[in-house]
Amino acid sequence: DGGITQSPKYLFRKEGQNVTLSCEQNLNHDAMYWYRQDPGQGLRLIYYSQIVNDFQKGDIAEGYSVSREKKESFPLTVTSAQKNPTAFYLCASSIGDTIYFGEGSWLTVV
Amino acid sequence: GENVEQHPSTLSVQEGDSAVIKCTYSDSASNYFPWYKQELGKRPQLIIDIRSNVGEKKDQRIAVTLNKTAKHFSLHITETQPEDSAVYFCAARSGGSYIPTFGRGTSLIVHP
Repeated sequence: DGGITQSPKYLFRKEGQNVTLSCEQNLNHDAMYWYRQDPGQGLRLIYYSQIVNDFQKGDIAEGYSVSREKKESFPLTVTSAQKNPTAFYLCASSIGDTIYFGEGSWLTVV
Repeated sequence: GENVEQHPSTLSVQEGDSAVIKCTYSDSASNYFPWYKQELGKRPQLIIDIRSNVGEKKDQRIAVTLNKTAKHFSLHITETQPEDSAVYFCAARSGGSYIPTFGRGTSLIVHP
């Protein structure tokens, strides 16, 4: 599970600004995911992608956008339309049944 | 879609005691049930999983049981240690999807 790299680890954003979180994996996994984690809310799915150039909305996609131009990369953009963006964001990838997570990115809106 | 309920939200035990975390799911077609452990500030990591054709699975001090009829599954940790303190997430995946649905998590605190 050490093959998923998220950056930056910590990010501060001013209200009204877009910010992009990077996620790169060298595990050769086809499927990639973005989750948001808030205290007491568990892991909520934002977007997921099964193959290059294809992605689907998860449960809380509003205010977020993604791209999947390369198999190893799945960046997440948090737009100004996201009302409460302060959270811990986890990128993940999977092969077969098991989902592997990155170390996460903390986003704080100031 | 699938709905997963997890209880309790917080569990406090003394070192050496057992801990049990329970989850229920709604989709009878779900066939894969993983458990993840997340230490403070770190990534969730898979600790054990079970498939619908098995009723119980053990790995050292942890075990998972599955009751398909009642649609619930549980994580059992015996002889708890302070390093078991973490947030534990259950998940269920329907046979028609490769995306698991996660529970809200249980914060386990093991007091020395």
